[in-house]
Amino acid sequence: KAGVTQTPRYLIKTRGQQVTLSCSPISGHRSVSWYQQTPGQGLQFLFEYFSETQRNKGNFPGRFSGRQFSNSRSEMNVSTLELGDSALYLCASKPGQGNTIYFGEGSWLTVV
Amino acid sequence: GQQLNQSPQSMFIQEGEDVSMNCTSSSIFNTWLWYKQDPGEGPVLLIALYKAGELTSNGRLTAQFGITRKDSFLNISASIPSDVGIYFCAGQMNYGGATNKLIFGTGTLLAVQP
Repeated sequence: KAGVTQTPRYLIKTRGQQVTLSCSPISGHRSVSWYQQTPGQGLQFLFEYFSETQRNKGNFPGRFSGRQFSNSRSEMNVSTLELGDSALYLCASKPGQGNTIYFGEGSWLTVV
Repeated sequence: GQQLNQSPQSMFIQEGEDVSMNCTSSSIFNTWLWYKQDPGEGPVLLIALYKAGELTSNGRLTAQFGITRKDSFLNISASIPSDVGIYFCAGQMNYGGATNKLIFGTGTLLAVQP
């Protein structure tokens, strides 16, 4: 069974640009969440989607947004990038039943 | 952002030694999870705990869900070099599986000297 797949793995963007990251959850998992990991703040919850609806949102500015498609795949977008947005962005999925959450390998974003 | 108190921050041990780390929170959780993260990779789930007082093992790893529901600990017995990495606890408040939101600990860096 394939794990959570994130693309791209690495990318470099310039301040002011926008970026879209993609996540394919484990087959059969309908719940997808996103986390940001930085050395200073650690792992912080961004948002969560279930059945194409945002179910929960962390304390991040409106520049951070996401969506989920009917096949459970999810994307997150960050607009007007700032240097502080440089981070590892992690996607996680969970089956409909049970509380076990599985993470992908992450997308490394560097903003210059 | 919110983070759980995890200690110790780092540990440098000899191969074969046992390791213990713990996590405390001011909030009650109804699920505790322990993850290991290698450099440049995503967290890998080690153990999941669902009931207060629960003690669960996964090979050389043992974790417990504190009876107050505000803490958890992880033990690693007879450490080996591949145990090197950062270990994170994570607490989850969920009802009926309604949310994925995890609050993570600050992490414990483990280094094992062969």
